[in-house]
Amino acid sequence: QQQVKQSPQSLIVQKGGISIINCAYENTAFDYFPWYQQFPGKGPALLIAIRPDVSEKKEGRFTISFNKSAKQFSLHIMDSQPGDSATYFCAAHPGSARQLTFGSGTQLTVLP
Amino acid sequence: ETGVTQTPRHLVMGMTNKKSLKCEQHLGHNAMYWYKQSAKKPLELMFVYNFKEQTENNSVPSRFSPECPNSSHLFLHLHTLQPEDSALYLCASSQDPASPYGYTFGSGTRLTVV
Repeated sequence: QQQVKQSPQSLIVQKGGISIINCAYENTAFDYFPWYQQFPGKGPALLIAIRPDVSEKKEGRFTISFNKSAKQFSLHIMDSQPGDSATYFCAAHPGSARQLTFGSGTQLTVLP
Repeated sequence: ETGVTQTPRHLVMGMTNKKSLKCEQHLGHNAMYWYKQSAKKPLELMFVYNFKEQTENNSVPSRFSPECPNSSHLFLHLHTLQPEDSALYLCASSQDPASPYGYTFGSGTRLTVV
């Protein structure tokens, strides 16, 4: 099963709050989990990524939490800012000559 | 600029028209991809090229015809499209398909079929 399920579809957060986006997968062959950020009129851009041998990765205000046994991973945006307003996609890669599988995206709006 | 350039940015075409989308990457990557992005749907992989050879066609209708003359250029030829083909078409490149790192996307072509 190549599907990656992402939730919520949309999220509204107050400035300074924590934004949390969740993804779940079935294929245990996935071995790389990136998050992409897409602003209107632009293509997705790699934001942060994690491998399943670690449970957490942090880069600035962005943190990925990974639960291998539950086959779930999530993106946390701390101290959310209006400039973080964008669509976020989780993705997974099967570690073979196959391509990334993307989630359906979450539209994040951070209110000033 | 991201290193992947797509033209045109916007395209409106009738169902009987023939048009082409162009993608160019300046990153020295060997793999190039076409994705379709529709509202509230996951990014849909359409085609994959590796070293100019098509390695994947994800059951895309024949009204979409890709062309990859070299590792830096990718085209998507369109003919007799349907209104449901209206979407954002994204081009991406990476070092190779097996590498998950460094997928670089262009800004896309917003296609409207009337």
